[in-house]
Amino acid sequence: GESVGLHLPTLSVQEGDNSIINCAYSNSASDYFIWYKQESGKGPQFIIDIRSNMDKRQGQRVTVLLNKTVKHLSLQIAATQPGDSAVYFCAENTSGTYKYIFGTGTRLKVLA
Amino acid sequence: GAVVSQHPSWVICKSGTSVKIECRSLDFQATTMFWYRQFPKQSLMLMATSNEGSKATYEQGVEKDKFLINHASLTLSTLTVTSAHPEDSSFYICSARTPGNTIYFGEGSWLTVV
Repeated sequence: GESVGLHLPTLSVQEGDNSIINCAYSNSASDYFIWYKQESGKGPQFIIDIRSNMDKRQGQRVTVLLNKTVKHLSLQIAATQPGDSAVYFCAENTSGTYKYIFGTGTRLKVLA
Repeated sequence: GAVVSQHPSWVICKSGTSVKIECRSLDFQATTMFWYRQFPKQSLMLMATSNEGSKATYEQGVEKDKFLINHASLTLSTLTVTSAHPEDSSFYICSARTPGNTIYFGEGSWLTVV
């Protein structure tokens, strides 16, 4: 069936460097995407979202890029900090359903 | 502060018993809530969509009679795991949709069946 997957299960970066977390999605009907951060033992926290009519959206220290041609989503974190260590999930949604399909997750480890 | 609250945060129950998990929207009325389960080091898997005043919509492969969902009010949905077994041990997370269509997640509930 349709699914959302991630390329890298674990990403280790030096503190202060930029991080890039990737996600591939397969449902061409998905038109809304969200990146979530999940710390150990807690529920997901919203980071940033993007609609399919955009290819880039910036937040505070984070940028999401959407490439609909290859069905690829990425999350860029600038100047990665120890507090960014967590598991990051991308989630896709199709208009009107409010159901989110989550990707497999990438663990980000920030090295001091 | 949290806008979606789950209770209990963690629970241990004996095999064969039932356990109820509550999901409450604190600052808004949620006509729709969602229940997910998450195994360690895995992603969130949607179990069911809970609609206030009507029956829940279950995802394929989720047993309706085992995971009873009740959405009796606009601020409360409950998930009851009936006749729990060790394989039901998991992290259960709910989310709620605001009238403005924003989704907020709860902090999750750890269930351990012994």
